[in-house]
Amino acid sequence: DTGVSQDPRHKITKRGQNVTFRCDPISEHNRLYWYRQTLGQGPEFLTYFQNEAQLEKSRLLSDRFSAERPKGSFSTLEIQRTEQGDSAMYLCASSQGTSASYNEQFFGPGTRLTVL
Amino acid sequence: GESVGLHLPTLSVQEGDNSIINCAYSNSASDYFIWYKQESGKGPQFIIDIRSNMDKRQGQRVTVLLNKTVKHLSLQIAATQPGDSAVYFCAENIFGGRRALTFGSGTRLQVQP
Repeated sequence: DTGVSQDPRHKITKRGQNVTFRCDPISEHNRLYWYRQTLGQGPEFLTYFQNEAQLEKSRLLSDRFSAERPKGSFSTLEIQRTEQGDSAMYLCASSQGTSASYNEQFFGPGTRLTVL
Repeated sequence: GESVGLHLPTLSVQEGDNSIINCAYSNSASDYFIWYKQESGKGPQFIIDIRSNMDKRQGQRVTVLLNKTVKHLSLQIAATQPGDSAVYFCAENIFGGRRALTFGSGTRLQVQP
């Protein structure tokens, strides 16, 4: 499978615990995005990487959230001291492009987080 | 599987009919638009895109129409099939602007056999 993959697919945790999710983008894609989706809503942007550089962060990304893409390939999203409001689907997307190209993004299957 | 959206507008059609899903986008500066299909428990799947220099684009069984004057986008699905049942989202972007997509509220399409 050459699409975007995410791990784990489901995560149940207790409030206050830390969680980490992984995203593997399509191999030749230089851009990687994290989105969050709650029930009944469209995905909301969290952060964006071009290669290993984190170029943009949404105000939704509180201090408890951190994302990395150390080698410009896979990315991790960590949530510290989880809260019940963090319960959502966390989606990763990737795209290949330059400043002159449009932004066709391909999404992974998501990680469903439930905070008890 | 888990529902993507519990309180979304729903369009119910008979198998074989044509479906039209509408979207009002928010930013008049947006110049690139995408329709995504999301099935329960899965991530959004790219369907078709359109740039603002076009008002119509056709794919296989799907057509996207763009009306920039009223900031309106529509997705037409011909000969709707049960496999088309899903939640559909439009997304917008600005060329040369921020890379993130801004998604609209979704529409659930239910295809009755």
